[in-house]
Amino acid sequence: SQTIHQWPATLVQPVGSPLSLECTVEGTSNPNLYWYRQAAGRGLQLLFYSVGIGQISSEVPQNLSASRPQDRQFILSSKKLLLSDSGFYLCAWSLGVGSYEQYFGPGTRLTVT
Amino acid sequence: SQQGEEDPQALSIQEGENATMNCSYKTSINNLQWYRQNSGRGLVHLILIRSNEREKHSGRLRVTLDTSKKSSSLLITASRAADTASYFCATDARAAGNKLTFGGGTRVLVKP
Repeated sequence: SQTIHQWPATLVQPVGSPLSLECTVEGTSNPNLYWYRQAAGRGLQLLFYSVGIGQISSEVPQNLSASRPQDRQFILSSKKLLLSDSGFYLCAWSLGVGSYEQYFGPGTRLTVT
Repeated sequence: SQQGEEDPQALSIQEGENATMNCSYKTSINNLQWYRQNSGRGLVHLILIRSNEREKHSGRLRVTLDTSKKSSSLLITASRAADTASYFCATDARAAGNKLTFGGGTRVLVKP
């Protein structure tokens, strides 16, 4: 069966510090991978998605970046965090775009102080 | 602006009652999905309804889709305290590059 992991679960970082969040998927090959951000009490905002190794599409201009160094690994990064980067970050995977359900990881709660 | 907007934003009911929430969207869609999120957790897929379907059932869940009104509803029958969660609709539309667009969610509290 497929499993998706995210770490860390919680993170408190000062403004201006770097960020690296990691997501890995087990039990499937060549998944589509997604990074979402969720503000408190709000819906999900798609940040990045990837259909293959090294293929990253950015949905929202920001100081975040994403990379996919391996088929089942998706990394969200920032060189310098802003207060507005605080939120709940969710990684998800699917077998394709559109008419496929997405499977979500447990999320990372990021607080920028 | 978001493609899907849920209504109401919050709902409080007694255990055993039915819970109904609605989702409206703006552009033509290929399908619509409903997800559930327990507090502080990831989302879990509940049901997918395609644009050529009008109603779908899964256990205590019933989803309807009215493409003429660009709206969908999720009904949870005989609710339980464990149904307490936020529920999100997500649309897949060609105009959005066939990526899912999530609404703001409905927070449901089921009181025992």
